[in-house]
Amino acid sequence: ETGVTQSPTHLIKTRGQQVTLRCSSQSGHNTVSWYQQALGQGPQFIFQYYREEENGRGNFPPRFSGLQFPNYSSELNVNALELDDSALYLCASSPGRSNTGELFFGEGSRLTVL
Amino acid sequence: SQQGEEDPQALSIQEGENATMNCSYKTSINNLQWYRQNSGRGLVHLILIRSNEREKHSGRLRVTLDTSKKSSSLLITASRAADTASYFCATDLNTGFQKLVFGTGTRLLVSP
Repeated sequence: ETGVTQSPTHLIKTRGQQVTLRCSSQSGHNTVSWYQQALGQGPQFIFQYYREEENGRGNFPPRFSGLQFPNYSSELNVNALELDDSALYLCASSPGRSNTGELFFGEGSRLTVL
Repeated sequence: SQQGEEDPQALSIQEGENATMNCSYKTSINNLQWYRQNSGRGLVHLILIRSNEREKHSGRLRVTLDTSKKSSSLLITASRAADTASYFCATDLNTGFQKLVFGTGTRLLVSP
């Protein structure tokens, strides 16, 4: 059974640029959620994708967008990067939209915006 | 916004001692989960307690939930140096989709 994998692990961007982060869900999972974790804070929910559609969204501006593909992998796109976007971005998968159990997290992508 | 507050923010103990972390939250929940994070890496699920449960055990972990006080505690017994990590509580709200709201975390340091 393959776990959740994310790429890249680290990247550096400058303010105003755009970034794409990628996530492969755990085998058998059709739901992917993205979280942002600023340094010293707990993760914050960005959005969730189920069967290629956004299923729920947290308090993040529209420049945070996502995609989910037929194989359930997902991308997080952030446009017009700001310094405060520097954070660890975590992807988590689960076996269903209405899952009430644990989430399975990847190791994260650490984004630094200069 | 963070749903939960955890205390203490940091905890330093010796191997063999017990570690207790507390979590408070604000709204009604489906369940409450505890996760562990090593040095800014991914989160690992430890234990889940549902809103109709009061106590749960898993190995050296014991979690309690008091929905009337909107609080939970995680006890790690006979701690080991390998338990050194950050611990987060996360509440699963009844929103129609799964959105975990995490607390601020407790940094645990276990010294040999």
